Amino acid sequence: EVQLVESGGGLVQPGGSLRLSCVASGFSFSDYNMNWVRQAPGKGLEWVSYITSTSSSIYYADSVEGRFTISRDKAKNSLYLQMTNLRAEDTAVYYCAREHLVAVTAFDYWGQGTLVTVSS
Amino acid sequence: QSALTQPASVSGSPGQSITISCTGTSSDVGGYHYVSWYQQHPGKAPKLMIYDVSNRPSRVSNRFSGSKSGNTASLTISGLQAEDEADYYCSSYTSNSTLVMFGGGTKLTVL
Repeated sequence: EVQLVESGGGLVQPGGSLRLSCVASGFSFSDYNMNWVRQAPGKGLEWVSYITSTSSSIYYADSVEGRFTISRDKAKNSLYLQMTNLRAEDTAVYYCAREHLVAVTAFDYWGQGTLVTVSS
Repeated sequence: QSALTQPASVSGSPGQSITISCTGTSSDVGGYHYVSWYQQHPGKAPKLMIYDVSNRPSRVSNRFSGSKSGNTASLTISGLQAEDEADYYCSSYTSNSTLVMFGGGTKLTVL
């Protein structure tokens, strides 16, 4: 069974930093491109970042470019999102999502999400 | 960059069919075959319902179908059931600086 389990969320002050983790199981993690998608309370989905299976290509949404860094560790079957200079508007549930093996930008499995709250 | 445009809400009675639209531009929906649809129940993670405009994952009911015409993609749900009541989001690959765009979401109410 495919599972994605996020952790690392919490309350952080504006300007602070946080590192999210997503542990994958039930599939060959090193074969899949991965993403972070967020959802502010009561709002819609917003794509955040993408990393290819080999980490050769990385993309970010304009809203987080220069502040967030995506990475992965195949030995630990883990995906990460390092978030710095956090703002109130970064408050959201953050999901890690697996890209479909053959369908571009289709996310076929999602974690349960981890809540990040940026507030003083 | 603006999200893809979806109606805020749609409704239908059990057994009926409904269609949700998703309008973009030639840089996203109209230019590529990479439109997906997601279902999200309250407090749950999104679930992929349609990919590549009209393909359905094996675990998704055949009551769900997708199509595209020009810059507008559509999700049709036939034989509405109470369990279909949820939020639905479209997404598309985009050639702009943002790799992926989502629609604003549509709340489906089953009357």
